[in-house]
Amino acid sequence: EPEVTQTPSHQVTQMGQEVILRCVPISNHLYFYWYRQILGQKVEFLVSFYNNEISEKSEIFDDQFSVERPDGSNFTLKIRSTKLEDSAMYFCARRLTTGANVLTFGAGSRLTVL
Amino acid sequence: KNEVEQSPQNLTAQEGEFITINCSYSVGISALHWLQQHPGGGIVSLFMLSSGKKKHGRLIATINIQEKHSSLHITASHPRDSAVYICAVYNNNDMRFGAGTRLTVKP
Repeated sequence: EPEVTQTPSHQVTQMGQEVILRCVPISNHLYFYWYRQILGQKVEFLVSFYNNEISEKSEIFDDQFSVERPDGSNFTLKIRSTKLEDSAMYFCARRLTTGANVLTFGAGSRLTVL
Repeated sequence: KNEVEQSPQNLTAQEGEFITINCSYSVGISALHWLQQHPGGGIVSLFMLSSGKKKHGRLIATINIQEKHSSLHITASHPRDSAVYICAVYNNNDMRFGAGTRLTVKP
């Protein structure tokens, strides 16, 4: 099975800037997820995505966040007008809809908002 | 009250010891995951359970749906098992995570 690749591995941005985090590969036969882990805290679910649609989202996933498939291969998480508290590790994960249904996580993208 | 409770929060063991990490949850689930997070932050899925028991190498995971409880066991623990172990419950594509159990295995 292909690995889940996330880019960038680390991004530093100024407060108020927009950030786009990317996850590949993507397929129509997969569920994709975004999770967030603030330093020292537990992992939190943000959103799940299947067949070009959001299937579930948490209370954290407000209007500041959006997910897209801009080119059919990448799965992106966009964070608009970043705040200091958005600093976290963001993980993408995928799950096959058949077989073992095991989650495969990317290595994460560390976002630092200054 | 957290929907997913893990115990203990921290666990230190000597190499070779048998280790048990517990997870209790209060919501309905379709599956439960045990995850391993290494010091560098990477997360690896160890097991997905919806009933019974699974074994992979030295790792064993069990779940009791009626009691809403799962355990992760590590036999013959080794320093390379040192990591944070996270229980996560899954329902309708929404996943809730426990706070994790930090395991340190000393040689």
